[in-house]
Amino acid sequence: EVHLVESGGGLVQPGGSLRLSCAASGFTLSDHYMDWVRQAPGKGLEWVASFRNKANGDTTEYAASVKGRFTISRDDSRNLLYLQMSSLKTEDSAVYYCARNEFDSGWKVDYWGQGILVTVSS
Amino acid sequence: DIQLTQSPSFLSASVGDRVTITCRASQDFNSHLVWYQQKPGKAPNLLIYAASTLQSGVPSRFSGSGSGTEFTLTINSLQPEDFATYYCQQLNSYPLTFGPGTKVDIK
Repeated sequence: EVHLVESGGGLVQPGGSLRLSCAASGFTLSDHYMDWVRQAPGKGLEWVASFRNKANGDTTEYAASVKGRFTISRDDSRNLLYLQMSSLKTEDSAVYYCARNEFDSGWKVDYWGQGILVTVSS
Repeated sequence: DIQLTQSPSFLSASVGDRVTITCRASQDFNSHLVWYQQKPGKAPNLLIYAASTLQSGVPSRFSGSGSGTEFTLTINSLQPEDFATYYCQQLNSYPLTFGPGTKVDIK
């Protein structure tokens, strides 16, 4: 059974750094595109970053709002996905979800973690 | 970037009603469009992908249609557990984008 579990969230001051982890089970991370998506309190969903699968070169994409500050990465030996966040701003406060992409006659994001709260505040 | 809008942003309906939500894109793209249901405090749940394909395990009262720049999610015979917020998302090109959401509330 597929499971995604995020960890590493918490309270951090503006300008600080935090690393989120997403532990995957029931499938191999490197076989899938993986996303980080966030949701600020009371707001809608915002795509943050994607990591393409090994077959497509392990390349990355970022939202303009986080490019240069956030880095998505993957540890294949531990089946973990990361989001390294630096130079954090108050507007980065949100619940962060990791999510799995699948292609089945069309792209879909079929599994999501439960989400982890990041609060950026002094 | 492909911008998505949704209408209505809020919808009040009764159990048994038929509900339609529209997602419009700022440019034409192939049908890599998905629909999610989200309840408070929970992760989004995939309902529809490829604009019209029902995700496994999702009740058949949910359906999707559309192409190009206009897509719709229809819920036939709304059930109590369907009161939630619904989002569309395009997976056609980066940056991936979501619609702003449609909240379906109890009349």
